[in-house]
Amino acid sequence: ELKVEQNPLFLSMQEGKNYTIYCNYSTTSDRLYWYRQDPGKSLESLFVLLSNGAVKQEGRLMASLDTKARLSTLHITAAVHDLSATYFCAGRDGGSQGNLIFGKGTKLSVKP
Amino acid sequence: NAGVTQTPKFRVLKTGQSMTLLCAQDMNHEYMYWYRQDPGMGLRLIHYSVGEGTTAKGEVPDGYNVSRLKKQNFLLGLESAAPSQTSVYFCASSSYPGQAYEQYFGPGTRLTVT
Repeated sequence: ELKVEQNPLFLSMQEGKNYTIYCNYSTTSDRLYWYRQDPGKSLESLFVLLSNGAVKQEGRLMASLDTKARLSTLHITAAVHDLSATYFCAGRDGGSQGNLIFGKGTKLSVKP
Repeated sequence: NAGVTQTPKFRVLKTGQSMTLLCAQDMNHEYMYWYRQDPGMGLRLIHYSVGEGTTAKGEVPDGYNVSRLKKQNFLLGLESAAPSQTSVYFCASSSYPGQAYEQYFGPGTRLTVT
């Protein structure tokens, strides 16, 4: 059964700094997803990573996938306040109709 | 194109009462899901459906029932609500997994059981 662990769970950053959120998963997952959730809101899809070495970038966020290490990273460059949110990664559990298994989320707070 | 919608947005129940949450999607997706989100727990899958007329149990199915009578709708029922079911419930849908299998989420239903 797939397990997904994110760290850190809480992250307080200053504007302009760089940081990385890590997502480790326990067994093979052929896809890795990153979602963003603002307080009181739904989940918004950020990235879908489909293969080893995949890298996707959108603005100040860049996600990558290393299937051999069972690791995905979400890198934040020059953080701004608008990036404050909770970020979730999710892997696809191939053994149960391919359902998504979510990490517990990383709550990011970007301070001036 | 409304995407995924959920009804109601908020609800307060007394212990033992029943209710049904409605999820509707207009993207012609085959797969639909119900999750609950609790603080510090991420999202946990309650039940899911891989097509009209089908349902299956997820990680935390106890105390819930579901039905998928029409492809666009997925209902989640609580027959006898308990305080432990206080949570935010999200519905999601996705296309056939041969593609990116990306899940699209509804706005959520905040349920409080007293």
